[in-house]
Amino acid sequence: AQTVTQSQPEMSVQEAETVTLSCTYDTSESDYYLFWYKQPPSRQMILVIRQEAYKQQNATENRFSVNFQKAAKSFSLKISDSQLGDAAMYFCAYRSFGGGADGLTFGKGTHLIIQP
Amino acid sequence: EAGVTQSPTHLIKTRGQQATLRCSPISGHTSVYWYQQALGLGLQFLLWYDEGEERNRGNFPPRFSGRQFPNYSSELNVNALELEDSALYLCASSLGGMELNEKLFFGSGTQLSVL
Repeated sequence: AQTVTQSQPEMSVQEAETVTLSCTYDTSESDYYLFWYKQPPSRQMILVIRQEAYKQQNATENRFSVNFQKAAKSFSLKISDSQLGDAAMYFCAYRSFGGGADGLTFGKGTHLIIQP
Repeated sequence: EAGVTQSPTHLIKTRGQQATLRCSPISGHTSVYWYQQALGLGLQFLLWYDEGEERNRGNFPPRFSGRQFPNYSSELNVNALELEDSALYLCASSLGGMELNEKLFFGSGTQLSVL
């Protein structure tokens, strides 16, 4: 079974600064997907960014980018120019390439605080 | 296009009662997943339905059950409620069947409180 670990329960950053959220995972599979989801106080899980394991290039979505290190099984999220609206819980998630009978396997989350 | 909708938003029950939670997937999605998000525990996989059939269930007791209807909406039932069942229950949908893929879209959840 796959596991996802987020070692930072809480992170704090000044508005406009850059912050990096860490995620490691354990799997014996070679093909899979990795995700970062954001959960604001509205509770809805919002997809931030997605990475396919067979792609070496790191995914980027505007101010959000990842550092995917497949050999190290590491998948960190970098948020540049932090904004107040980025404050939320962030979850790292894993999904098997074949679809995955469990859907997504999630880490326990990192609470991101943005200081004005 | 409507997203994944869940009802009710909040549900308060007492120990021993039954709770029924409902989920309507995005139009065209045939796969529905249920997750439990208890405080401090992240999201735990509960059930997966695809094209009307239960495909997989997580490590939860049998009093957690559900079904998927012909229109692909889904219902989660929790019998004999216990205090530790208090949690946010999230539903997610995706393309299913032969189009099963990795993108899950989530609803805003049902907050179940057991007193």
